[in-house]
Amino acid sequence: DGGITQSPKYLFRKEGQNVTLSCEQNLNHDAMYWYRQDPGQGLRLIYYSQIVNDFQKGDIAEGYSVSREKKESFPLTVTSAQKNPTAFYLCASSGPGLNTDTQYFGPGTRLTVL
Amino acid sequence: GEDVEQSLFLSVREGDSSVINCTYTDSSSTYLYWYKQEPGAGLQLLTYIFSNMDMKQDQRLTVLLNKKDKHLSLRIADTQTGDSAIYFCAESSNNAGNMLTFGGGTRLMVKP
Repeated sequence: DGGITQSPKYLFRKEGQNVTLSCEQNLNHDAMYWYRQDPGQGLRLIYYSQIVNDFQKGDIAEGYSVSREKKESFPLTVTSAQKNPTAFYLCASSGPGLNTDTQYFGPGTRLTVL
Repeated sequence: GEDVEQSLFLSVREGDSSVINCTYTDSSSTYLYWYKQEPGAGLQLLTYIFSNMDMKQDQRLTVLLNKKDKHLSLRIADTQTGDSAIYFCAESSNNAGNMLTFGGGTRLMVKP
């Protein structure tokens, strides 16, 4: 089945620790995105990548880092510099087809800082 | 920057129609989208409409676009309890490098 997977579903972190969230897609999409969602809020763009080995900051990139070494994978690292990391993190991808703007989402990772 | 606005909350009775509204400011929109988010889940693409269309129907879903007023709506016919979720409106635009701009979401509650 084609789709986007995120792991883990739930993640707990102690203050001061870095943690990496996984996002994988087998849709052959060129572009991938990371969003943050806080309770009762909309989506805020953290980072995006439109092609392998290239990525751009979104609206709230501070305290986060990404890499895009493979087309299928776009991991997000939440660093200790992120002051309030507890949130729901969503990964998305978009790619070839009739409408290349359409983004398809993974199931999300809920990060809780203890 | 460009903006997408939605009302926060809508409550309907099972079997009634639901209409969720969205307004946007970007006059260069190319596509407009509706996504559904159930509790604890990712966003599920429901439907989208090209900006030069007025209407799109897909089973119980009807999307209406008034480009002059920059107003988008999603009508759900015969609303069921399983339709309870948060619905996000989004738009893509040449002005934003074809990135999506999302509204804040409308929480739909369906009462039995």
